[in-house]
Amino acid sequence: DAGVIQSPRHEVTEMGQEVTLRCKPISGHDYLFWYRQTMMRGLELLIYFNNNVPIDDSGMPEDRFSAKMPNASFSTLKIQPSEPRDSAVYFCASSRRHEAFFGQGTRLTVV
Amino acid sequence: DAKTTQPPSMDCAEGRAANLPCNHSTISGNEYVYWYRQIHSQGPQYIIHGLKNNETNEMASLIITEDRKSSTLILPHATLRDTAVYYCIVRLTGSSNTGKLIFGQGTTLQVKP
Repeated sequence: DAGVIQSPRHEVTEMGQEVTLRCKPISGHDYLFWYRQTMMRGLELLIYFNNNVPIDDSGMPEDRFSAKMPNASFSTLKIQPSEPRDSAVYFCASSRRHEAFFGQGTRLTVV
Repeated sequence: DAKTTQPPSMDCAEGRAANLPCNHSTISGNEYVYWYRQIHSQGPQYIIHGLKNNETNEMASLIITEDRKSSTLILPHATLRDTAVYYCIVRLTGSSNTGKLIFGQGTTLQVKP
């Protein structure tokens, strides 16, 4: 397996634009996590899914953020409209029961 | 999920054992201890996990105290490539219910030549 695949690796966008981050989890994994990492706040859990169903989205900062998992092999994190304070590295991870595997992350810069 | 306390930073000489402590005094009976590390600008990497027994794999050993209120991650022969931020996480893990994977601030381990 190629591991967790995230796209794009880098994204630069203007304030107010819509941004969509994509994640392909490892086949057979039933948990999927979205994280955001900044120097100030560290690694923050935004939302996680179990069997494509959102279990806890209490970490989603505000209504501008939304996440979907339409099937077991794909998830998106959308920011609309984007703001400069959303600039961060966004990680996706998937797991079965114990070991979680992380993607390489998407570095988002909002100017 | 229970919270953990780790020292913010540690140094270790190359080739020596690195012992990273973690306190999790409020851990409950069905919560596991996990260790991850993050090498600069990469995604976190799983190292090891345990419930109450000591565990060892090709990367590290995990020692959990009998009361389960603290644990130590041991890297037996640290190399420069082990320089990273190490996270200790306590997480509910069951066959039908598994909790959040919450990262704290971790310990920055600097391995020096």
